[in-house]
Amino acid sequence: SQQGEEDPQALSIQEGENATMNCSYKTSINNLQWYRQNSGRGLVHLILIRSNEREKHSGRLRVTLDTSKKSSSLLITASRAADTASYFCATVLRYGNKLVFGAGTILRVKS
Amino acid sequence: DTEVTQTPKHLVMGMTNKKSLKCEQHMGHRAMYWYKQKAKKPPELMFVYSYEKLSINESVPSRFSPECPNSSLLNLHLHALQPEDSALYLCASSQDEVWQSKSYEQYFGPGTRLTVT
Repeated sequence: SQQGEEDPQALSIQEGENATMNCSYKTSINNLQWYRQNSGRGLVHLILIRSNEREKHSGRLRVTLDTSKKSSSLLITASRAADTASYFCATVLRYGNKLVFGAGTILRVKS
Repeated sequence: DTEVTQTPKHLVMGMTNKKSLKCEQHMGHRAMYWYKQKAKKPPELMFVYSYEKLSINESVPSRFSPECPNSSLLNLHLHALQPEDSALYLCASSQDEVWQSKSYEQYFGPGTRLTVT
């Protein structure tokens, strides 16, 4: 069953703009991760944020986590055409034994 | 080497066929996973192997049979599949199982696109 719900379902922006995707979840988590999937390919791990962290950066990526609202956001700054992909949040529940993926956001960056 | 490889890339099989999907990793990871992904949907966990032993079976029908011959290899044997089983099958690995690991990152292979006719 899905733990995370993401919005928007689809996002289309111009190259150079920032892209923000949101993820909400239902139960307490140990950590939350973001993955990218290029069309029909495997997933690539982008970033992990633990439940006791509020913000994390990696290159052009910025992730925030608000455990009181059970939500996270992924910001991609200065987007490029190569960022076109599906983005999934995935949670590890507290005391959980598996990764549960959200529905995903399809990002299209137009050049 | 941080790569998970999967063969074949594409597979078309009839409902009476028997086929196998293969997955390999050489990162020394002790946990390996099979996921099923339908179009425009997130991956769904099927099986988890930890230290070559089946750890999680997410109530997957018996027409899917996983096998872990050694710590680097993971197979998924397919028999008498249905058209609704057509999907992208993803293999992944991680240093340890989710609940054991200090690093929960999973490395995914490129997947096998399966079509059941």
